[in-house]
Amino acid sequence: AQSVAQPEDQVNVAEGNPLTVKCTYSVSGNPYLFWYVQYPNRGLQFLLKYITGDNLVKGSYGFEAEFNKSQTSFHLKKPSALVSDSALYFCAVRASGTYKYIFGTGTRLKVLA
Amino acid sequence: DAGVTQSPTHLIKTRGQQVTLRCSPISGHKSVSWYQQVLGQGPQFIFQYYEKEERGRGNFPDRFSARQFPNYSSELNVNALLLGDSALYLCASSSTDAGQRETQYFGPGTRLLVL
Repeated sequence: AQSVAQPEDQVNVAEGNPLTVKCTYSVSGNPYLFWYVQYPNRGLQFLLKYITGDNLVKGSYGFEAEFNKSQTSFHLKKPSALVSDSALYFCAVRASGTYKYIFGTGTRLKVLA
Repeated sequence: DAGVTQSPTHLIKTRGQQVTLRCSPISGHKSVSWYQQVLGQGPQFIFQYYEKEERGRGNFPDRFSARQFPNYSSELNVNALLLGDSALYLCASSSTDAGQRETQYFGPGTRLLVL
């Protein structure tokens, strides 16, 4: 069965510092991995995805994510956090040939000025 | 181009009532998926439709149903509402069906409150 784990309910980071939001997954076959961000009372906004190729994926708003097959992880990173990055972040996985995304429970990121 | 649109934005119903939520995908997208997001949790998959056919269904009771129209818009219907149906209902569209490498793009959601 497919699953996604986001082990941290909340991550606090000072503005200007690097940030990491963790995600691990379990899936049969090749994984398609996604990160979405959700602002209050809004839907999910796509940040980036890993399908195949380079393990470091660059996305919107300066975010990037590193795919690690041996550790089954897909951590979201940003070199320098902004207060405006404060939001709820979701990792999702979809196994190739399947029709649905499996989402993690979300990690609330708070960037402190 | 307009993104995924959903209507209404908010809805209040009482237990036992029925509700219909609507979604218009991004222009050119043929696949629509529905998700339920309960407060404090990640979205849970309900349905996916592609070219008006149901391609997948999550672990939701038969009270939940959906359909897709020739213009690729979609409706989600929930009958006999329960308090536990209170949630944000998200619609997502993609250009092809799942199994491809397409990204799903989400609408702003409809927030349903069941009293």
